[in-house]
Formats: sequence, structure tokens, C-alpha cells
Amino acid sequence: AQSVAQPEDQVNVAEGNPLTVKCTYSVSGNPYLFWYVQYPNRGLQFLLKYITGDNLVKGSYGFEAEFNKSQTSFHLKKPSALVSDSALYFCAVRDSGNTDKLIFGTGTRLQVFP
Amino acid sequence: NAGVMQNPRHLVRRRGQEARLRCSPMKGHSHVYWYRQLPEEGLKFMVYLQKENIIDESGMPKERFSAEFPKEGPSILRIQQVVRGDSAAYFCASSPASGDSYEQYFGPGTRLTVT
Repeated sequence: AQSVAQPEDQVNVAEGNPLTVKCTYSVSGNPYLFWYVQYPNRGLQFLLKYITGDNLVKGSYGFEAEFNKSQTSFHLKKPSALVSDSALYFCAVRDSGNTDKLIFGTGTRLQVFP
Repeated sequence: NAGVMQNPRHLVRRRGQEARLRCSPMKGHSHVYWYRQLPEEGLKFMVYLQKENIIDESGMPKERFSAEFPKEGPSILRIQQVVRGDSAAYFCASSPASGDSYEQYFGPGTRLTVT
């Protein structure tokens, strides 16, 4: 069965410092990986995706993610955190069946302190 | 181009009542997905529909829950005889087609509270 793990419930970082939000996956076949962000009482906003190609994927709001096949990881990164980045971040993998449904991790709450 | 629309944004129902949640996909999108988010948890897939067809309902509870996406009009998620455990945020997502390169776009969600 395919799954995604986000090992940290919360990540705290000071504004201006680099941030990393971790994600590991377990899939059969090629992984199709996504990051979404959720602000309070809002829906999910798409940040970036890895389908194929370069292992470093650049996305919205200065975020990027590095696909590492040997470590089965897809960590989200940003060189310099902003207070406004504080939100709930979800990693997801597309189901390899015919339905394209997304399988989500449990989420990581990012708190950026001024 | 308006995004995915969901209404109502907040819905309060008493135990035993019916809840109807509506989702209008983005213009040009013919694929709709429903997900449920319980408090402090991630999103769980419920059902995937195309116009007039249910493609995958493997995440739907066997009883009381149904979904449709008619030829005209929004997709509807219907919960009959609601119970307190149905209290959650229900999100709809849409995509233009199936396939690896298409991300899903999410609506703002409907927060259902069962009293």
C-alpha cells in the first residue's frame, strides 16, 4: 500500500533562517509527489510537484523540494523563512491505480517566529 | 477564472438530519474528488467522480454517504442521518483530466458540525 509519512508534527524556525519540512514515501512504481499548504480555515493550496526530471523542484512562494529516490524522501525547503509561512503543510503521493486520488501525510505545522 | 467553489462554508446539523454539501469545480474541469479532514488529521480520500460517473468510491463509508456529479450543476456529497462522528471539514478538489501531470485544485471546504 502506498503511504506518506511526515515525522514531525511541528517545526519551529526563526524568521530569516532556512526551513525544512520532512516527508518520506512508500510507493510501488514511480512516485508522483506533491506539497500543499493550508492556512487556518482555508482549503489547500498547491505548492509544487515532482513527476519526473530534475530532483530539485521549485514551487510557489520561494519553496522548493528535493526528491531523493535512495532515501525515498521529498523534503520541502525554503532558504529564508517568513512569519507569513506559518501554516500547516501536507505532503501527498498520487495513488498508482487508475483514479489519481491523493494520499496525504498527517501534516506538519510550521511556526515561524519573528 | 474562479477557483473551486464549495457551499455552504459552514453547516450545522442535528443528529439524524441530512447534510448536503455542494462543489462547483473550476471551469473546464471535469474530474471531482471529495476528501474529509477530521480535526488534527490529514485529508482522507472519499470519492472520485467524473460527469455522471462514480469512478472510485473506495473511501466512502458504506452507509449513509453518497455522491453525485450530474451532467449539469455541482457535485453533491450527501450524508444521511448524520452522527457526531461526521463532524469534519469536507474538501472538494478538481482537475482538468486524469494523468500524472495534473495537480488537484482544492476548494475552501465545508465545515460540518453535528450537534
